[in-house]
Amino acid sequence: DMKVTQMPRYLIKRMGENVLLECGQDMSHETMYWYRQDPGLGLQLIYISYDVDSNSEGDIPKGYRVSRKKREHFSLILDSAKTNQTSVYFCASSFSNSQNTLYFGAGTRLSVL
Amino acid sequence: GEKVEQHESTLSVREGDSAVINCTYTDTASSYFPWYKQEAGKSLHFVIDIRSNVDRKQSQRLTVLLDKKAKRFSLHITATQPEDSAIYFCAASLNSAGNKLTFGIGTRVLVRP
Repeated sequence: DMKVTQMPRYLIKRMGENVLLECGQDMSHETMYWYRQDPGLGLQLIYISYDVDSNSEGDIPKGYRVSRKKREHFSLILDSAKTNQTSVYFCASSFSNSQNTLYFGAGTRLSVL
Repeated sequence: GEKVEQHESTLSVREGDSAVINCTYTDTASSYFPWYKQEAGKSLHFVIDIRSNVDRKQSQRLTVLLDKKAKRFSLHITATQPEDSAIYFCAASLNSAGNKLTFGIGTRVLVRP
């Protein structure tokens, strides 16, 4: 069953708290992504990971870091969350070949108060 | 970097009519153009793509047209049905691997009975 699983689905944090968003996939995809979706801005790429410990900044990496210690698992970490990081976060994965369909998780709705 | 502009923010069509969503991109090196669909409250999933070696691709009621000279591509939905109601995102990437997709901001399509 091809699936990208995100945890948690909903999260409320206070400004300054640390946030950990987790993502897993069962398709042995090499490449994984973190996007955030905001009204009027569409999807913005935060980080991309090409494989274990091979991570690259996307378009809006500031305030975020990632960890990929296993191919099937990719974490997004917000150290000292800010209110402007309130958003819906999507994880996605894909094979690193010419097909490259992205498979998205269900999203995590994060509110930073 | 690449910028993708999605020209229609919302589109309302009568059931059975056609819907057309237009996108433009800036980088002439872009060669892969997928479309993703997001139904209300759900995640995104792939619907159709086109690569720069062709100018038209059809899959059932969906057709994608690519005009490389104008740096424009479009999604045509014929015989629209209620289940076509969703937000549609166009995207572009600089290489066939599609690893770094740049998304448009999305077009909300509403199919009226």
